[in-house]
Amino acid sequence: KAGVTQTPRYLIKTRGQQVTLSCSPISGHRSVSWYQQTPGQGLQFLFEYFSETQRNKGNFPGRFSGRQFSNSRSEMNVSTLELGDSALYLCASSPTTSGGNNEQFFGPGTRLTVL
Amino acid sequence: KNEVEQSPQNLTAQEGEFITINCSYSVGISALHWLQQHPGGGIVSLFMLSSGKKKHGRLIATINIQEKHSSLHITASHPRDSAVYICAVATGNQFYFGTGTSLTVIP
Repeated sequence: KAGVTQTPRYLIKTRGQQVTLSCSPISGHRSVSWYQQTPGQGLQFLFEYFSETQRNKGNFPGRFSGRQFSNSRSEMNVSTLELGDSALYLCASSPTTSGGNNEQFFGPGTRLTVL
Repeated sequence: KNEVEQSPQNLTAQEGEFITINCSYSVGISALHWLQQHPGGGIVSLFMLSSGKKKHGRLIATINIQEKHSSLHITASHPRDSAVYICAVATGNQFYFGTGTSLTVIP
């Protein structure tokens, strides 16, 4: 089975722009979670989607949003980018909705740099 | 306020040594995860546990729910074990992460 894929792998944007990141889960997995990793804050949970519905949400502003399609692929959007949004964005898939109660399979991440 | 605390932050060991990484948490959890992150960013899930002990090869993870504490042990450490090890706890609708333990195993 192919693993979790994320596109693009690297992205450079300027402040004020918006960005969309994509995540394709392992075939058959229906839950996709998104995480932000920065040197200062470490890993932080953004949100989880299952069956096209957001099931759980971390403590991030409304500029961070996501969606999931019927094929379980997910996109994450960040609007009005700030310098502090520079981070590695990771997605992870699991077979069912979990709230963290299932093993997470991580993608390679998208490294976003905001200038 | 940190829901998850890991120690030590950095650890250097000689090849073959027995290694222990500790994780304490302050919230009620439904599961605890140990993750491994190599340079370059890729994260691999090592263990998910909610009670007792699990073993996979040279790695052992234990959890004490009453004491809100978990340990990750590596027996007969090897340079390829060099990575950042991250403890994460799931509360059912949130995921909290420790800051990670950077392990370097010297040949």
